Amino acid sequence: DAGVTQSPTHLIKTRGQQVTLRCSPKSGHDTVSWYQQALGQGPQFIFQYYEEEERQRGNFPDRFSGHQFPNYSSELNVNALLLGDSALYLCASSSWETQYFGPGTRLLVL
Amino acid sequence: QKEVEQNSGPLSVPEGAIASLNCTYSDRGSQSFFWYRQYSGKSPELIMSIYSNGDKEDGRFTAQLNKASQYVSLLIRDSQPSDSATYLCAVPDSGGSNYKLTFGKGTLLTVNP
Repeated sequence: DAGVTQSPTHLIKTRGQQVTLRCSPKSGHDTVSWYQQALGQGPQFIFQYYEEEERQRGNFPDRFSGHQFPNYSSELNVNALLLGDSALYLCASSSWETQYFGPGTRLLVL
Repeated sequence: QKEVEQNSGPLSVPEGAIASLNCTYSDRGSQSFFWYRQYSGKSPELIMSIYSNGDKEDGRFTAQLNKASQYVSLLIRDSQPSDSATYLCAVPDSGGSNYKLTFGKGTLLTVNP
């Protein structure tokens, strides 16, 4: 049984570019949450998708958007990248209880 | 705005000692609490969850919850160098464990051989 998977593992972009990160949830999980973790900080909630709809959203600008597909996989899109968007982006999947994290995508914006 | 506070450390203990990690939270209505372990450069890994006041034991780990004091702790007995990591306390929104998690900044634990 595969756990949560994310792609790519690492990404380098320049300011102003756009990026798409992908997540496949653990088998049997229907909810996907995205978090941003800056160096030395705890993960910060970006948003959560359930039944292909955004159910909750954290304090992130509209440059951050997402999507959930019928197979429960999800994408995180970030437009007009800023240097401050450099971070580890974590996807977590869940069903009724605990959230399990994928390995993350490390994004560097130059 | 829900807040979760942890001592950032670093907390240094000798091998074989008990490591005690603490977390306080602001939302008195919180019902469930999670401890994640994060090795350097890796993603968070769930190690304990606790829902009721009192202690919950799982191997060398014990989670303690005191809702009246809005305090949750994690004890690691017989600490090993492999326990060296950042420990994150997380509290979900009142909608349930499946909703937004608010994390503390984490406590860096170093276990010295």
